[in-house]
Amino acid sequence: RKEVEQDPGPFNVPEGATVAFNCTYSNSASQSFFWYRQDCRKEPKLLMSVYSSGNEDGRFTAQLNRASQYIPLLIRDSKLSDSATYLCVVTRMRSARQLTFGSGTQLTVLP
Amino acid sequence: EAQVTQNPRYLITVTGKKLTVTCSQNMNHEYMSWYRQDPGLGLRQIYYSMNVEVTDKGDVPEGYKVSRKEKRNFPLILESPSPNQTSLYFCASSLVAGNNYGYTFGSGTRLTVV
Repeated sequence: RKEVEQDPGPFNVPEGATVAFNCTYSNSASQSFFWYRQDCRKEPKLLMSVYSSGNEDGRFTAQLNRASQYIPLLIRDSKLSDSATYLCVVTRMRSARQLTFGSGTQLTVLP
Repeated sequence: EAQVTQNPRYLITVTGKKLTVTCSQNMNHEYMSWYRQDPGLGLRQIYYSMNVEVTDKGDVPEGYKVSRKEKRNFPLILESPSPNQTSLYFCASSLVAGNNYGYTFGSGTRLTVV
């Protein structure tokens, strides 16, 4: 089993749609959780850190469910500019020495 | 501007010819790391460094070397490149390890070994 698993997609949604991505992690000792966005052939960029209390940044909401080891990402009112690959990232150890990346979920927002 | 700078952006080389990919950050970050990204495999960590003169192996260290003589620089060295090291490489840094600030990535180096 992969340490971080994501729906690979692709997700093709119309503008204005709400889309939810799943991410599960296998190591219960993981301490820090992130969602990153990666545009084609470019570097990953931090979208948000994820906490048990939930985190909302405009149209983006993420929540950490430690009991289920599940980190969903919700995107509301999708824009064309949201088209990208979304990476779920988890640290393995308390010191966050090693990041483990999911393979990414590809999103295309259609006009 | 706060950034992580990698060079070169693109490199084509031949098998066995030593090369170095440079990485520099101007944010006084303690933690730096190298990743490679391959289709279907995602990003995998090669080496990381907690601070000057402190480095450790990641998941796929074979065939690579690193050094951290200065806080700002973390070069990746391929002593004898092979075609299976053809990949997209990213350097990343973070203020410290063990935080929720996330990591800043360089723009990537696309390496082809023929």
